[in-house]
Amino acid sequence: DAGVIQSPRHEVTEMGQEVTLRCKPISGHNSLFWYRQTMMRGLELLIYFNNNVPIDDSGMPEDRFSAKMPNASFSTLKIQPSEPRDSAVYFCASSTWTGPRSGANVLTFGAGSRLTVL
Amino acid sequence: QQPVQSPQAVILREGEDAVINCSSSKALYSVHWYRQKHGEAPVFLMILLKGGEQKGHDKISASFNEKKQQSSLYLTASQLSYSGTYFCGTEWVGGSEKLVFGKGTKLTVNP
Repeated sequence: DAGVIQSPRHEVTEMGQEVTLRCKPISGHNSLFWYRQTMMRGLELLIYFNNNVPIDDSGMPEDRFSAKMPNASFSTLKIQPSEPRDSAVYFCASSTWTGPRSGANVLTFGAGSRLTVL
Repeated sequence: QQPVQSPQAVILREGEDAVINCSSSKALYSVHWYRQKHGEAPVFLMILLKGGEQKGHDKISASFNEKKQQSSLYLTASQLSYSGTYFCGTEWVGGSEKLVFGKGTKLTVNP
């Protein structure tokens, strides 16, 4: 099993540019999560999907952020336009959700995408 | 909504013990513990479900006091490999399967 695959691993861009981060979850996992990690705020949940459907996007900071999951094996997180305060490590994680309150929501994280906006 | 972890940082010598605490203001039905080494992704350690059970993983164990909405992670006879940042993640009643993490506790184990 290749695990959760994220790309790119590193991205350096200039303010105002569009950034697209990609994630391939573990095959068979039905939930996918996007987290952002910074020193100040720690691991913040941005959005999560269950069976490709967005369930909770309350953590998405602004309209500049959008996420899609067109199929079970691919998701994108897009920032347009990017700003320096978006600089962070973005993690994608997937899990097998077996039902509400099952307590079985164990996350496997990808290696992360380190974004630097100049 | 974010659980509160304490302490923020711990420095140990190899062989010493440590306790990391995690508390929430919400009614919880599970607490997760993850460890992240520098420059790497968080890795799952264990999950504790509502019911107050205690779990163990080698010399790392954890408890969950659902009445107090608190969990503690116990590291016994620490090894150099235990160094990293420990995060607790909580799922609360009415919060769906959303997992929200605390800010982490940085553990450094020195020889």
